[in-house]
Amino acid sequence: AQSVAQPEDQVKVAEGNPLTVKCTYSVSGNPYLFWYVQYPNRGLQFLLKYITGDNLVKGSYGFEAEFNKSQTSFHLKKPSALVSDSALYFCAVRDSYNFNKFYFGSGTKLNVKP
Amino acid sequence: EAQVTQNPRYLITVTGKKLTVTCSQNMNHEYMSWYRQDPGLGLRQIYYSMNVEVTDKGDVPEGYKVSRKEKRNFPLILESPSPNQTSLYFCASTTSSYEQYFGPGTRLTVT
Repeated sequence: AQSVAQPEDQVKVAEGNPLTVKCTYSVSGNPYLFWYVQYPNRGLQFLLKYITGDNLVKGSYGFEAEFNKSQTSFHLKKPSALVSDSALYFCAVRDSYNFNKFYFGSGTKLNVKP
Repeated sequence: EAQVTQNPRYLITVTGKKLTVTCSQNMNHEYMSWYRQDPGLGLRQIYYSMNVEVTDKGDVPEGYKVSRKEKRNFPLILESPSPNQTSLYFCASTTSSYEQYFGPGTRLTVT
């Protein structure tokens, strides 16, 4: 079965510090991986994706993610956190065989303290 | 502006009373999906559609129906809602490179 896991329900960092939100995946074949952000009372917004190529993917709002095939991980990172980054973050993977099916992690709440 | 709209945003109903949540996108995408979001479970795909008149089940389709008569619209139908369908529902429209645009969500309460 294909899936993603976000092992941390919540991550707390101080403004200006680097942040990491963890994601591990389990898929057959080459993974298509995504990160989305959800602000309160809003729908999810696309941040970035990995399909192939460079293992470091850059996305919106200064976020980046590192794909690690040996560790089956796709961690979201940002060098310097902002209070406005506080939100719920979801990792997702596309099914390897049915390209219209997606699997989401349980979400990680990021709290950036001033 | 590219967007996905959903209506209603909030809905309180009673067990067994049929309801429809509408979804519309203005990006001419072929692929659309419905998800439900529950605390601790993330998003789970209910149904998806590859094009007009082409739909298929996601991971949690029980108790739901969908239709795709026009490319832009993808309504979600609950013919006999039950309390376990109380949830936050999102419609999404998918680009050809698999990025999803999500609607603002519909918070459904079934009593």
